[in-house]
Amino acid sequence: EAQVTQNPRYLITVTGKKLTVTCSQNMNHEYMSWYRQDPGLGLRQIYYSMNVEVTDKGDVPEGYKVSRKEKRNFPLILESPSPNQTSLYFCASSFRGDTEAFFGQGTRLTVV
Amino acid sequence: GENVEQHPSTLSVQEGDSAVIKCTYSDSASNYFPWYKQELGKRPQLIIDIRSNVGEKKDQRIAVTLNKTAKHFSLHITETQPEDSAVYFCAASSAAGNKLTFGGGTRVLVKP
Repeated sequence: EAQVTQNPRYLITVTGKKLTVTCSQNMNHEYMSWYRQDPGLGLRQIYYSMNVEVTDKGDVPEGYKVSRKEKRNFPLILESPSPNQTSLYFCASSFRGDTEAFFGQGTRLTVV
Repeated sequence: GENVEQHPSTLSVQEGDSAVIKCTYSDSASNYFPWYKQELGKRPQLIIDIRSNVGEKKDQRIAVTLNKTAKHFSLHITETQPEDSAVYFCAASSAAGNKLTFGGGTRVLVKP
């Protein structure tokens, strides 16, 4: 089954404790991206990757890192989480940035 | 960068009536305009998209129109049903196809 898988689904952590949210796709998509969803603000792009070892900043990259060592995986790293990073995070993949995006199930992160 | 504005933020319609959601974008070079539907607690899913060389596209009860001169595009849902209740997001892709910018979302409630 074609899918994008994120883990974990829910995470509560404390300020400053490094965490990683994993994202994996099995559709051989070249383009992957991370979004955060906050009420009234829609989906805001954090980082995107157009291919292996090619990543670039989206609209709200501060406080986040990503890597794309393999085509299927695109982890999101918060090295020192802060409460303003409490949000719902979605990973998405597509053939290109201007084709249908397939979203993961979402990760609800709370930083206390 | 691209800015996408979406109106209204909430929309309540009677079952069977039509719903219209409007979006404007700022980058005249944008060339791909998808619409995503997000049901409560679920991931966003593509419902229809349009490219800049097309003025209108229909798929059963949903249609999208694009006015490139005015830089706006709209989603039309006819004969609304309770299962149309969801949050709808418009988006615009940069000309390079590397970034997708979303609007703030419209919460649609279809009253039986």
